[in-house]
Amino acid sequence: DAMVIQNPRYQVTQFGKPVTLSCSQTLNHNVMYWYQQKSSQAPKLLFHYYDKDFNNEADTPDNFQSRRPNTSFCFLDIRSPGLGDTAMYLCATSRDWGLYNEQFFGPGTRLTVL
Amino acid sequence: GNSVTQMEGPVTLSEEAFLTINCTYTATGYPSLFWYVQYPGEGLQLLLKATKADDKGSNKGFEATYRKETTSFHLEKGSVQVSDSAVYFCALTPTPQGGSEKLVFGKGTKLTVNP
Repeated sequence: DAMVIQNPRYQVTQFGKPVTLSCSQTLNHNVMYWYQQKSSQAPKLLFHYYDKDFNNEADTPDNFQSRRPNTSFCFLDIRSPGLGDTAMYLCATSRDWGLYNEQFFGPGTRLTVL
Repeated sequence: GNSVTQMEGPVTLSEEAFLTINCTYTATGYPSLFWYVQYPGEGLQLLLKATKADDKGSNKGFEATYRKETTSFHLEKGSVQVSDSAVYFCALTPTPQGGSEKLVFGKGTKLTVNP
């Protein structure tokens, strides 16, 4: 089945220790998104890639970076995690950008910063 | 700006009860509207969608109708089950004229169904 896969599902890291979260997709979609979802809150878009073009949200901290080496994979790098970065991180894809383009979500990575 | 407002939760129902979760939106033009469901510990799954006025989205016994006159997209189910316990998010994607194609989410409504 075509799908969005996130690894790991659970990640624990120490304050200030860099961490990388992985997302892969078999849908061959052009657009990949990263969302941060804190407890009991709505998902918040961090950035997205349209193909190789990176689009950062204005309020995304510089501590968060992303890489998309090819169509299938996208990584979220947190350079120096703080306690406030504890959250679920959701990856999503869509075939294209614009109206009627449904987003498909992965299961998420639950990150805990100690 | 573009926004989604959902009814405050949590909502607790008994099995086979009728469910309504209210959702209203503010957007320019004609947005697409979505309901996503998030089961405990999991990511979001698209439950249903509607892309134009008067469209009815339906899936797994859930329904929602795109009402442009009241800018609403209320989620309903006639008879809930314990397995429907989850958090439900209403969301929209604005039109190109609105300047952004990203999903705008409501805050979510937690539903608990008791046997």
